[in-house]
Amino acid sequence: QVQLVQSGSELKNPGASVKISCKTSGYTFTTYGINWVRQAPGQGPEWMGWINTNTGKSTYAQGFTGRFVFSFDTSVNTAYVQISSLKAEDTAVYYCVRGVSWKFDSWGQGTLVTVSS
Amino acid sequence: QSALTQPASVSGSPGQSITISCTGTSSDVGGFNYVSWYQQHPGKAPQLVIYEVINRPSGVSHRFSGSKSGNTASLTISGLQAEDEADYYCNSYTTINTWVFGGGTKLTVL
Repeated sequence: QVQLVQSGSELKNPGASVKISCKTSGYTFTTYGINWVRQAPGQGPEWMGWINTNTGKSTYAQGFTGRFVFSFDTSVNTAYVQISSLKAEDTAVYYCVRGVSWKFDSWGQGTLVTVSS
Repeated sequence: QSALTQPASVSGSPGQSITISCTGTSSDVGGFNYVSWYQQHPGKAPQLVIYEVINRPSGVSHRFSGSKSGNTASLTISGLQAEDEADYYCNSYTTINTWVFGGGTKLTVL
């Protein structure tokens, strides 16, 4: 079955960087794009953007340009998001999500990133 | 792109039906039939329950149904059960090739 397994929780100082991984299985990795979704504490989800795992092209939502970079490694069927110059307001759970035909059909379990000194 | 508008909370007794609305604009909900609904239990990842306005993924109960009129989409849950208590989020594709979520609705089963 389709699975997206994310890396564990992170505690970072302001100004640091973090890289979250999302290892996929159960399907051909390059067939479907990977979306990234942020959910701040007590808030609704927010779409960050997506990466086309066939072409490598990334699309970033407004508010997620500059400090956010999507990438992937097809040899290990894994997608990544790197966030640099972390701020307190980046504290959130980050989800990777498979996009299939206009829907988000499979979600990772989420990775909590806490930014605090 | 502003978040889609959902009521903060709805409630119902077991066996009753409830409807959650999701209001957007002609640039998102009204412009496409690409509206999805997600159920999220505390501490868990969201799970798809309705896609393309009216379709149910395999394994989702027939008690969940979706509809749309103009710029407002709706999720109806019939025969409420205790396990339906969760947060629900709508999501729509937009004219600028992005996705936007609703602010979420907390469903309480009395």
